[in-house]
Amino acid sequence: DQQVKQNSPSLSVQEGRISILNCDYTNSMFDYFLWYKKYPAEGPTFLISISSIKDKNEDGRFTVFLNKSAKHLSLHIVPSQPGDSAVYFCAASATGRTGTASKLTFGTGTRLQVTL
Amino acid sequence: DTAVSQTPKYLVTQMGNDKSIKCEQNLGHDTMYWYKQDSKKFLKIMFSYNNKELIINETVPNRFSPKSPDKAHLNLHINSLELGDSAVYFCASSQARTRSNEQFFGPGTRLTVL
Repeated sequence: DQQVKQNSPSLSVQEGRISILNCDYTNSMFDYFLWYKKYPAEGPTFLISISSIKDKNEDGRFTVFLNKSAKHLSLHIVPSQPGDSAVYFCAASATGRTGTASKLTFGTGTRLQVTL
Repeated sequence: DTAVSQTPKYLVTQMGNDKSIKCEQNLGHDTMYWYKQDSKKFLKIMFSYNNKELIINETVPNRFSPKSPDKAHLNLHINSLELGDSAVYFCASSQARTRSNEQFFGPGTRLTVL
């Protein structure tokens, strides 16, 4: 049972335009969401995160939006650059009873291709 | 400076063999993880150790045994390798007291079982 889903396996966007990557989750206990970027033959690298108490977090060209009622989050990249071409993973975690986060549950990833 | 390192990067072996993958982090984190990325690119947690103590053990065959000699190292030993063990294995680390659970990943070890 996949608790974090990325329904688009791939996305192609022209350089300079906006890239929107989507992620849905089913577990209402998740209270922290992260986006990771992965290049071939490398490990995932942290990009941006958002707490469930917020609905938006921005860091430079990257913005993450969270819609808790819809259990949906999205990553916006504006403007998209060729170097952004990679696989993007959405991940979620739930705060345990001790106040620390539990394991990360990952989506299956979306391959973004930014074309010239 | 490599934050999370894994060795070897590639591992090709025969069915039935026993192999180990090593992981080290120099970030001063107290929690380390092993993930498996299968052929469908699904990244799934296998184990997690906090201060050398096992805290997460997902449904993984007991042929897989993690060992943490200290909080900077988490090694993965696999006995009696099977074809289905072929995957990319990622080590990661984080600081347990942070709510965000931002984890730092190693470059991965591609295991091929023939």
